Amino acid sequence: DAKTTQPPSMDCAEGRAANLPCNHSTISGNEYVYWYRQIHSQGPQYIIHGLKNNETNEMASLIITEDRKSSTLILPHATLRDTAVYYCIVLQMFSGGYNKLIFGAGTRLAVHP
Amino acid sequence: DTAVSQTPKYLVTQMGNDKSIKCEQNLGHDTMYWYKQDSKKFLKIMFSYNNKELIINETVPNRFSPKSPDKAHLNLHINSLELGDSAVYFCASSPGTGRGGYGYTFGSGTRLTVV
Repeated sequence: DAKTTQPPSMDCAEGRAANLPCNHSTISGNEYVYWYRQIHSQGPQYIIHGLKNNETNEMASLIITEDRKSSTLILPHATLRDTAVYYCIVLQMFSGGYNKLIFGAGTRLAVHP
Repeated sequence: DTAVSQTPKYLVTQMGNDKSIKCEQNLGHDTMYWYKQDSKKFLKIMFSYNNKELIINETVPNRFSPKSPDKAHLNLHINSLELGDSAVYFCASSPGTGRGGYGYTFGSGTRLTVV
């Protein structure tokens, strides 16, 4: 089962920052948080991931609380092309050192003009 | 070059038929996956292979049989297709082990419609 909860939908005005929250209160100390997005019916696209520290790349920033029980994905200047379903995922490990990405319902972000 | 490529992109077939979907990755990853996204848009993991060895089998009906001839290819064969098999099937690949890294790279999906 997915270990995260997200709001089902959010709106954002074009050009403004989109802040997408995620709760992962049962996360273990060595589990990473990943964010993916799915635009329309395309394949999910990797955005960013982190463990403890805040992270930034060319797409987004990831803010993880000190207790690691929640995080926020920030799209600094949302565009219409950022309209998508955003998934917050805790990467789950299993025997053999393998991992699996379990998707929840995600947040449907609508960016409007 | 497309990192993870799936064929065909669309597949329409009748109930009871057998069909295959092919997937290839050129990322040098050791692990490949099949996911199913149904009409309610939930993405569910089905199978995973690491270096041709099955490591994940998520209670999928045995009409679904994955085959990995080498670590760059993972095909999905479906026997006796049913209406409920209609979905978009995504292939993905990853380095496989470890807790971090850049995660999974997904293909663009195969939309299967069973009529």
